[in-house]
Amino acid sequence: EPEVTQTPSHQVTQMGQEVILRCVPISNHLYFYWYRQILGQKVEFLVSFYNNEISEKSEIFDDQFSVERPDGSNFTLKIRSTKLEDSAMYFCASSPPPGQTQYFGPGTRLTVL
Amino acid sequence: DAKTTQPTSMDCAEGRAANLPCNHSTISGNEYVYWYRQIHSQGPQYIIHGLKNNETNEMASLIITEDRKSSTLILPHATLRDTAVYYCIVRPGSSNTGKLIFGQGTTLQVKP
Repeated sequence: EPEVTQTPSHQVTQMGQEVILRCVPISNHLYFYWYRQILGQKVEFLVSFYNNEISEKSEIFDDQFSVERPDGSNFTLKIRSTKLEDSAMYFCASSPPPGQTQYFGPGTRLTVL
Repeated sequence: DAKTTQPTSMDCAEGRAANLPCNHSTISGNEYVYWYRQIHSQGPQYIIHGLKNNETNEMASLIITEDRKSSTLILPHATLRDTAVYYCIVRPGSSNTGKLIFGQGTTLQVKP
């Protein structure tokens, strides 16, 4: 069964460093998403992406964040200068058209020291 | 913000049916009811969704009231592996972005 994959599973970084989180969406899906979950809190929407453009972003997704689909399979989330409060689980998801079911990856745990 | 209301927690005996309620009294005619679950800190797992008819798949059944203001997710024979946080989410069937808005969900504890 096709699934969304994410790498790395755990990333530790120093405050102020840049990190790139990687995702491989399900191959025939067209819409891609990033969500995050701070420990003990709700899953929060960050951004949606279609046709090489951001469709929607939340207020969390500020100028420190960017997304990219560098090739036909990967979807990345970059945080330019990490802060302590960026420590969270980051989940990638994908769907065919956006109104259809989203499938989530296993997540990347980001720890900012 | 989430447009659903769920109990914070529930217990269920292993082997028994788990019935998880959800209120969505402000649901619109084009909005679907989706259920996901999250085991520990894993990625949310899709379970089932429906518009107005009851739905069943290999994981669960979804019962939606006739007025569509509430629904119940049924796990027919709960196992210890079904212990998780269950999220009820309403969203439009067609959307420019398709974002999901998660609430706090219901923590289901399946006990031996």
